[in-house]
Amino acid sequence: AQSVAQPEDQVNVAEGNPLTVKCTYSVSGNPYLFWYVQYPNRGLQFLLKYITGDNLVKGSYGFEAEFNKSQTSFHLKKPSALVSDSALYFCAVNPGGSYIPTFGRGTSLIVHP
Amino acid sequence: GAGVSQSPSNKVTEKGKDVELRCDPISGHTALYWYRQSLGQGLEFLIYFQGNSAPDKSGLPSDRFSAERTGGSVSTLTIQRTQQEDSAVYLCASSSQVNYGYTFGSGTRLTVV
Repeated sequence: AQSVAQPEDQVNVAEGNPLTVKCTYSVSGNPYLFWYVQYPNRGLQFLLKYITGDNLVKGSYGFEAEFNKSQTSFHLKKPSALVSDSALYFCAVNPGGSYIPTFGRGTSLIVHP
Repeated sequence: GAGVSQSPSNKVTEKGKDVELRCDPISGHTALYWYRQSLGQGLEFLIYFQGNSAPDKSGLPSDRFSAERTGGSVSTLTIQRTQQEDSAVYLCASSSQVNYGYTFGSGTRLTVV
């Protein structure tokens, strides 16, 4: 069975500093990995995905994520955080060939001015 | 439409009543998912529709929950004899292909009193 762990319920960072939101996964086979962001009272918005190819994936709003197969991780990063980045972030995984993604519990990112 | 539309956005119902939640996916998206998001929890998979294939109902928590998708487009999630533990945000998502990511609606916030 596939699973996703987001070990931090909340991440606090000062505006302008780099941010990292952690995600580790467990799947059989090659994973499809996704990050989504959820703003208050909104649905989830797609940020980026890793399917194959370059381990460093760039996505929306200046976010990027690095696929690390040996550590089974897919951490979300941004070089310089903005207050407007404050939101709930979800990591998701499904193994290639599966059509039902499993989501993590989410990490609340708070960027302080 | 331009996005995934869900209605109603909010629903308050009395314990024991039946409710219907509607999802209108992006035109042409063959895959449709229902997830449930409870406070402090991740997204819990409920049901998956793909084209005209039989749906994957493996995530439905009890036989009080059912869903249908008419004409490969609009979907309705029905909860019979609602219980307080059914209170959550119900999210619908659609996709054209699994590796392209998913587009989520804004959700229906269900409160059972």
